[in-house]
Amino acid sequence: SAVISQKPSRDICQRGTSLTIQCQVDSQVTMMFWYRQQPGQSLTLIATANQGSEATYESGFVIDKFPISRPNLTFSTLTVSNLSPEDSSIYLCSVLRAINEKLFFGSGTQLSVL
Amino acid sequence: SQKIEQNSEALNIQEGKTATLTCNYTNYSPAYLQWYRQDPGRGPVFLLLIRENEKEKRKERLKVTFDTTLKQSLFHITASQPADSATYLCALPGGYNKLIFGAGTRLAVHP
Repeated sequence: SAVISQKPSRDICQRGTSLTIQCQVDSQVTMMFWYRQQPGQSLTLIATANQGSEATYESGFVIDKFPISRPNLTFSTLTVSNLSPEDSSIYLCSVLRAINEKLFFGSGTQLSVL
Repeated sequence: SQKIEQNSEALNIQEGKTATLTCNYTNYSPAYLQWYRQDPGRGPVFLLLIRENEKEKRKERLKVTFDTTLKQSLFHITASQPADSATYLCALPGGYNKLIFGAGTRLAVHP
């Protein structure tokens, strides 16, 4: 199993500001991912956080809006920049311990943008 | 691209009955399919993985079937309990080490 600590658990932010979400894993993992879950929607993959190199973004997501850091094999951050009300969502960190196996998720960050 | 369809309407059942949730996909048959449970305010939790060469998989009161001809997986919870109330998500591989998720079906088990 994997214990994932994600924080903050929730935040309310003003339009135009940024929020940085932290994800800490209890042991080294190769693959870390960031997902977004909009109200009533499925989880959508934002990017794969690569250790030591730039994140790999999915279609529709760009680095300027969602910069990601992965300084080591147990930690990653996702920043949601220049916030607008459309960014109000749950953001989830997840890790994969072995190829083609299950994902472990953090408890999520509930972001509300006013 | 692969699309996953899960019944968006909530499933309401009586305690003790069997709950059956459906996951349909539209394109290529995946090498495996996964089911997750998500409670409000929490991240999804893995339940079961079934591979393309497996017709059925069981874990305690849970059973998953995988029909590659119908492009469908069924998820069953037998002897359901109110504690089983949650949203259940179906997920398929969507590229190198990536999973794509259905929108989930909310299950409510009533005493």
